Amino acid sequence: QSVLTQPASVSGSPGQSITISCTGTSSDIGGYNYVSWYQQHPGKAPKLIIYDVSNRPSAVFNRFSGSKSGNTASLTISGLQAEDDADYYCSSYTSSSTLEVFGGGTKVTVL
Amino acid sequence: EGQLEESGGGLVQPGGSLRVSCAASGFTFSNDWMHWVRQAPGKGLVWVSRINYDGSITGYADSVKGRFTISRDNAKNTLYLQMNSLRAEDTAVYYCARGIGFYDSTGYHSTRFFDLWGRGTLVTVSS
Repeated sequence: QSVLTQPASVSGSPGQSITISCTGTSSDIGGYNYVSWYQQHPGKAPKLIIYDVSNRPSAVFNRFSGSKSGNTASLTISGLQAEDDADYYCSSYTSSSTLEVFGGGTKVTVL
Repeated sequence: EGQLEESGGGLVQPGGSLRVSCAASGFTFSNDWMHWVRQAPGKGLVWVSRINYDGSITGYADSVKGRFTISRDNAKNTLYLQMNSLRAEDTAVYYCARGIGFYDSTGYHSTRFFDLWGRGTLVTVSS
């Protein structure tokens, strides 16, 4: 059972916007701005798409954006495209453990 | 940009041992903390272990503590994970990843995010 809670699945049509939530506690998401998001296509390595809540690596499309409110972080994909069909994982620094934590993952389906 | 490439995975019997490696290139390997993250078939990402720049500080998930040992050879730009007393539940793809971190208020080094990942190597524990 993951410390960070994500919905199992989210779906949307091409061109739509979707949002994936990642809920933690005041010891992790709520207390620090060290939330990151990873995209993983089947059989491929995870890829960093958002770091420090809302920063995007230079090679990542600006259709991906991150935010945080209280103990919940969110990843929004705008203008959904077929290639966004993948699994997405959140991660956060936590002060309550020396271990690294990931969310359980969310399967995004482009209809 | 940097690259990481894992190797050494395979089929091993329960109770057996295996060492997986991760070759780094394109960046100054000795400057970075490194991690192992695994993913069981059809499951999510689970952090396994970390090691600091020179190998003097290590950390492990409770599920592997006492059985797995992380190490590095900076002269060879290579990260290792020695896995002993393997169990069926250790079956997974093992990824190495570079961690970008910070020092918290207690002086403890923690990870902000993982910015570089290898393609993974599959370890199957089965009789």
